[in-house]
Amino acid sequence: QKEVEQDPGPLSVPEGAIVSLNCTYSNSAFQYFMWYRQYSRKGPELLMYTYSSGNKEDGRFTAQVDKSSKYISLFIRDSQPSDSATYLCAMLYGSSNTGKLIFGQGTTLQVKP
Amino acid sequence: DGGITQSPKYLFRKEGQNVTLSCEQNLNHDAMYWYRQDPGQGLRLIYYSQIVNDFQKGDIAEGYSVSREKKESFPLTVTSAQKNPTAFYLCASTHRGNQPQHFGDGTRLSIL
Repeated sequence: QKEVEQDPGPLSVPEGAIVSLNCTYSNSAFQYFMWYRQYSRKGPELLMYTYSSGNKEDGRFTAQVDKSSKYISLFIRDSQPSDSATYLCAMLYGSSNTGKLIFGQGTTLQVKP
Repeated sequence: DGGITQSPKYLFRKEGQNVTLSCEQNLNHDAMYWYRQDPGQGLRLIYYSQIVNDFQKGDIAEGYSVSREKKESFPLTVTSAQKNPTAFYLCASTHRGNQPQHFGDGTRLSIL
C-alpha cells in the first residue's frame, strides 16, 4: 500500500464548476500538507501549504485537512480552463529534518469552456 | 527574480554515455533535491543535499550521482548504469526541512 493515495483521474468538468481533489494517507506522522499544480512540461508550482487540521483559503482555492480521517482535499471554486493541469498532493513527516516529501501520483484535471 | 534554473530543457543520451543535468538556484536555500517523474507515478526522490559538500541517497539513487560543491548548484549525473533513464527530471530547493519545496521547470531526458 502506498503511503499517499491519489486518484489519477482524469477529471473533466465544465467551466464554473466546483472541483474537489482528494488524497488519503496511511501514516499519522504526516504533519505538513501541500498542494502543487503542474502544467504540462513544467515544474510543480506550490498552491497551498498547511500544517494543521481545518480549512485554509486562498482566492478560489481552499485546502482542507482532516487528520482524524487521514484525508486532505483541495477545492477549486468557479473553475477556469486555465486551471487545467495535474494537481499533486505532498506530505511531510512532523519529525522530518530532511524535507523529504511524499507525493501522491497526481490528478489530471480538465476544465472545458 | 529568484528561482531555480534547470538546463537543458531537453537532453538525449546515447548508449553507454553519462549525461549531467544542471540545477542552479538563487533563493539562498540550504537544501536541494532531485526527483524523477514518470507518467502515472508521481515524483520519486533520487538524491538530496541539506548542506554544501554533503548529500544523501533518496529512494531511487541507483545509476545516478550528484555533487554539492556550491550552495547554489546541485548537478545530477545520469550514468550508463541507469538502464531506464527516460523521464522528466525535476530539481527543487527549500530553506529548511519543514518548509515547502520550490521547483525548477525540469529536464526531459530521452534515449537515442
